[in-house]
Amino acid sequence: SYVLTQPPSVSVAPGQTARITCGGNNIGSKSVHWYQQKPGQAPLLVVYDDSDRPSGIPERFSGSNSGNTATLTISRIEAGDEADYYCQVWDSNSDHVVFGGGTKLTVL
Amino acid sequence: QVQLVQSGAEVKKPGSSVKVSCKASGGTFSSYAISWVRQAPGQGLEWMGGIIPIFGPADYAQNFQVRVTITADDSTSTVYMELSSLRSEDTAVYFCARRSLDSSAYYGWGQGTLVTVSS
Repeated sequence: SYVLTQPPSVSVAPGQTARITCGGNNIGSKSVHWYQQKPGQAPLLVVYDDSDRPSGIPERFSGSNSGNTATLTISRIEAGDEADYYCQVWDSNSDHVVFGGGTKLTVL
Repeated sequence: QVQLVQSGAEVKKPGSSVKVSCKASGGTFSSYAISWVRQAPGQGLEWMGGIIPIFGPADYAQNFQVRVTITADDSTSTVYMELSSLRSEDTAVYFCARRSLDSSAYYGWGQGTLVTVSS
């Protein structure tokens, strides 16, 4: 089955840029989606189809995807960005959804 | 704007079953797919399976294929997830999530239902 690998944690100071990676075999050929989840809440879609943003998501959130790595970039980090972030793809081989293990973003 | 509202928290004994509902309001029920995703305490998101109501049979993740049943009731715009042979490791928050038929991204989520399995 397809596996997505994320770093368990990323720490960044306010105002700086956070980059969260999502590794997978030839992930660049798939559409990658990213979710933000705060404690006690449901996940929130922040980037879809590699780099598009749903309405209401700040431009500070952006994504890219190439080769074996997709990246969620959050610029001008704010305290409110502290959350868990998950990447997700559709694995066409199995016709199943796959989530990465999640990355805890800490704002220092 | 489609909203998903789930049934309330459940406490179950090991070996029993639980059935969680997810009612959709707004939008056209048949124009999207609903999946179930669970999250054990302190753990990540795990896809269990999903259904496209207009197409019928659900699709399940291999880990859950034997124990989970996902059904849809068009008349009430509700999707159900039933998990059988419960064990303590099934203690988790269960989310329903919606995607459009032309995308694999989940745009909307239910509020989550906590299922606790304890003797």
